[in-house]
Amino acid sequence: GAGVSQSPSNKVTEKGKDVELRCDPISGHTALYWYRQSLGQGLEFLIYFQGNSAPDKSGLPSDRFSAERTGGSVSTLTIQRTQQEDSAVYLCASSQGQAIGSGANVLTFGAGSRLTVL
Amino acid sequence: QKEVEQDPGPLSVPEGAIVSLNCTYSNSAFQYFMWYRQYSRKGPELLMYTYSSGNKEDGRFTAQVDKSSKYISLFIRDSQPSDSATYLCAMRGGSNYKLTFGKGTLLTVNP
Repeated sequence: GAGVSQSPSNKVTEKGKDVELRCDPISGHTALYWYRQSLGQGLEFLIYFQGNSAPDKSGLPSDRFSAERTGGSVSTLTIQRTQQEDSAVYLCASSQGQAIGSGANVLTFGAGSRLTVL
Repeated sequence: QKEVEQDPGPLSVPEGAIVSLNCTYSNSAFQYFMWYRQYSRKGPELLMYTYSSGNKEDGRFTAQVDKSSKYISLFIRDSQPSDSATYLCAMRGGSNYKLTFGKGTLLTVNP
């Protein structure tokens, strides 16, 4: 596709419910990132996928958070038993993935999924 | 101390002003330095990047990196109302794919 597509753009849920956020990266991009942007905070790294390698999950804040990437393309971020502190914009980005030591490794971001937990 | 510090502002300037945005960092392993611009309700978009120390110019934008001081800057000349956005600095090490971001500075350019 022309850009990174995320859905839903807005999600309002009740505390304790599960939510799924979807990311369609740019076609051909092998690297995919999830970041979280809370009000007044910078972007917080959550998880990174690169090709068929094991993902780097080191940024996931708790075991309620999980992510999958199927077929090296679409990714889903799942938050179980949502809490009010999970309210944030969840941003997905993709890149060509030739990251290490080779230039800027330009990340292209989607518009984000704005999650509100009541 | 956070790895990357950035004054969140807000910063309000008149059209045509020179804007200076900056970040400091503590991790000496950082080698790639970037500035992203984020309009309201949009994702960040890469504005400029610099490798190691030095200056880089692109039109009205100039990025500077001073690794000895662990300080990076973005200058915007002849600022326009369309420059109104949040500007995020980001950086990473040479062997690390993870970008570490500042909190972002909200800039408003008034016509």
